[in-house]
Amino acid sequence: GEDVEQSLFLSVREGDSSVINCTYTDSSSTYLYWYKQEPGAGLQLLTYIFSNMDMKQDQRLTVLLNKKDKHLSLRIADTQTGDSAIYFCAEIKSADSNYQLIWGAGTKLIIKP
Amino acid sequence: NAGVTQTPKFQVLKTGQSMTLQCAQDMNHEYMSWYRQDPGMGLRLIHYSVGAGITDQGEVPNGYNVSRSTTEDFPLRLLSAAPSQTSVYFCASSYSRATRDLNFGPGTRLTVT
Repeated sequence: GEDVEQSLFLSVREGDSSVINCTYTDSSSTYLYWYKQEPGAGLQLLTYIFSNMDMKQDQRLTVLLNKKDKHLSLRIADTQTGDSAIYFCAEIKSADSNYQLIWGAGTKLIIKP
Repeated sequence: NAGVTQTPKFQVLKTGQSMTLQCAQDMNHEYMSWYRQDPGMGLRLIHYSVGAGITDQGEVPNGYNVSRSTTEDFPLRLLSAAPSQTSVYFCASSYSRATRDLNFGPGTRLTVT
């Protein structure tokens, strides 16, 4: 099975909060990342969290990390049409794997008017 | 800075043809990598490099070669194209070896018929 799992789709109304969830398996992961991919474009780093943190907030974005359950979430407050994209969760594998990223399949965020 | 650039943006090949996908970055990043993205799947690492003269295999290296003669360039060669190599290819770089705040190129959409 996948090392990193995400739901493939999430639909929210404009103005509501979006919560995108991710589960991972490597308890030795040091960093966990959220990347955003807009249609026809490459991925861009949205935010990341170090494994010794529980929460990180950056303007409309809140990342929550539950290490016990190996669960990562990304909350987008006041979701706008410009937030329509695919959101990828990724974890760094342990150092003995040369710090390679393991990616989820991506969650497509659909904004309803 | 131009960031990470990739050429071409689109390519159609016949089975058995070879070609090189170009990738360059002007940020003096040591780490560079090639990913392929297929629908419903996470990114899969093809090859990566932690510095000039050093390359290593990723998760799906078969059918691809890379070289890293300079810090700036990291071309990906398809030796004998197969329909299974139809995909979107992304080049990405990062400054640090131990974190993966990757900068992605815009991608190359390759179709093999």
